[in-house]
Amino acid sequence: GAVVSQHPSWVICKSGTSVKIECRSLDFQATTMFWYRQFPKQSLMLMATSNEGSKATYEQGVEKDKFLINHASLTLSTLTVTSAHPEDSSFYICSAASGGPTEAFFGQGTRLTVV
Amino acid sequence: KQEVTQIPAALSVPEGENLVLNCSFTDSAIYNLQWFRQDPGKGLTSLLLIQSSQREQTSGRLNASLDKSSGRSTLYIAASQPGDSATYLCAVRQVTNFNKFYFGSGTKLNVKP
Repeated sequence: GAVVSQHPSWVICKSGTSVKIECRSLDFQATTMFWYRQFPKQSLMLMATSNEGSKATYEQGVEKDKFLINHASLTLSTLTVTSAHPEDSSFYICSAASGGPTEAFFGQGTRLTVV
Repeated sequence: KQEVTQIPAALSVPEGENLVLNCSFTDSAIYNLQWFRQDPGKGLTSLLLIQSSQREQTSGRLNASLDKSSGRSTLYIAASQPGDSATYLCAVRQVTNFNKFYFGSGTKLNVKP
């Protein structure tokens, strides 16, 4: 299957700072990328969908000013958690699709801990 | 709104047992259903993908079935091994938005040596 690389795999930051997570599709052009969040012992919840070159679409209850998503190229999307707080500590996973009824592929996830 | 449920939430079995994990979904207008494996602190590994027109898929010791009309899927694991210990997630994609996954809460499997 296609490869989606997510970086970093883990990060610890101080409360109030911002953290950027990158999601790259290494061997295909991802017209659509998705960001998920997973709290301990819970399933993945979709946060937002981004299409290359356009604004992201956020799911209900997700603060778009707090979770900034940029999808400037067909191989890279970034999620920036702004003014992070301990309650933002979670596991964030991206997935990428090349458009049409094709399979989506997942990154390996990023463990964010805000102290 | 699509809701995906997985039963049981956790399962502990001795090595060698055959086991079944269950997944149910409320809206049958799905594009496909996919089973994933997630190891602690890791991302998702795709196990099996079943298109809406298919009834089952097999890969090695894994067999997944799909009954779209009743909103159910099962993942059968034969001759379980300690290395199978992980959380298993099922996810469906809708016909109206095939790129969006609706995930179940997972079944945490522990296979004891």
